[in-house]
Amino acid sequence: GQSLEQPSEVTAVEGAIVQINCTYQTSGFYGLSWYQQHDGGAPTFLSYNALDGLEETGRFSSFLSRSDSYGYLLLQELQMKDSASYFCAVSRAGFKTIFGAGTRLFVKA
Amino acid sequence: ETGVTQSPTHLIKTRGQQVTLRCSSQSGHNTVSWYQQALGQGPQFIFQYYREEENGRGNFPPRFSGLQFPNYSSELNVNALELDDSALYLCASSLAGELFFGEGSRLTVL
Repeated sequence: GQSLEQPSEVTAVEGAIVQINCTYQTSGFYGLSWYQQHDGGAPTFLSYNALDGLEETGRFSSFLSRSDSYGYLLLQELQMKDSASYFCAVSRAGFKTIFGAGTRLFVKA
Repeated sequence: ETGVTQSPTHLIKTRGQQVTLRCSSQSGHNTVSWYQQALGQGPQFIFQYYREEENGRGNFPPRFSGLQFPNYSSELNVNALELDDSALYLCASSLAGELFFGEGSRLTVL
């Protein structure tokens, strides 16, 4: 089977840096994605890592270590609007994407 | 704005009834996936269609079924509704892995 683990909640202050970790167990692994979902909204794509290393997109970066079955999402210069749920998701053969339970990020002033 | 539209946005059904949810994919996307998201949980993979054929299914019973049409739009059908089917149903279209989600259909089963 497959499973993804990520913390259920993280709290940080505006302007800070926060890291959300994700470990996974799956067969046919292709890559690790991250999605953001605000309350009442749809998940939106943030980043995708197919190879080991760091991918940077503006304030957001994502890291993958395939040998450790581990990745993280790094959010810098936190803003209040970053308060949302963040999901790691494993892409498998045929691009079937399986999501974790999500990490709820609270950004405080 | 992802270009993926779902209907209806909200609906209420009673146990035992049947429901059909609809999804229009982003133009050119030949793959559509359906997810069930309970409150406070991550999206759970129901199934995926590629060029009108189901090519992957999650851990959902056969009363969850779907269709994809030649224009790549899609339907999710759920028969014999149960209370636990109450959830947000998300459709996502994709071309090369990245998922583009619609706003979802929120189903309440009473």
